Amino acid sequence: DTGVSQDPRHKITKRGQNVTFRCDPISEHNRLYWYRQTLGQGPEFLTYFQNEAQLEKSRLLSDRFSAERPKGSFSTLEIQRTEQGDSAMYLCASSHSTGLAGAPGHNEQFFGPGTRLTVL
Amino acid sequence: GNSVTQMEGPVTLSEEAFLTINCTYTATGYPSLFWYVQYPGEGLQLLLKATKADDKGSNKGFEATYRKETTSFHLEKGSVQVSDSAVYFCALIRNAGGTSYGKLTFGQGTILTVHP
Repeated sequence: DTGVSQDPRHKITKRGQNVTFRCDPISEHNRLYWYRQTLGQGPEFLTYFQNEAQLEKSRLLSDRFSAERPKGSFSTLEIQRTEQGDSAMYLCASSHSTGLAGAPGHNEQFFGPGTRLTVL
Repeated sequence: GNSVTQMEGPVTLSEEAFLTINCTYTATGYPSLFWYVQYPGEGLQLLLKATKADDKGSNKGFEATYRKETTSFHLEKGSVQVSDSAVYFCALIRNAGGTSYGKLTFGQGTILTVHP
């Protein structure tokens, strides 16, 4: 039984560099989410996909951030021109969703281990 | 907008003590409510959930009841163990018209430390 995987687990970069993270969801899950978690805080929503369609983006997702899920399977999150304020744990989650609230197992989001980004 | 407020932490208890972690929420529509747990060095795991008013979610001895009248979803356990030491997050997903929206809105988390 494979869960959500993320790569890399840790990334250290210099300010101004571009970074890309990958998330592989649970194979039968149609929804994929990205969250950001800073120290001492709960995760904050960034964006989510249903299959290959990006359905919602947070205001936190500035134009330096871009996410893709080209074939409805894995997803990438790219940050261009990184800033020190981008240092955080980036979490990916997946779920199977019919869109119907209350349906069994609906929208139970399973999280990956996260990618910790440090921008120097 | 939607928000979740958890009790200030950290919480430190002795083994076998009773645990309550308070959680209140503000949401449009009728949210589903969740508790997630993050053990040291591990990812977030779903602990329990409730999808409508008066539902009780339970798992591993933990319970929480969806109280619409007080907009609360407090987490309780009758007898904590050292292995329960972790960070606990209350969260919600907004539902409206039978449709569930995607994003989880989390509280800030409560650190629980249980001593032998």
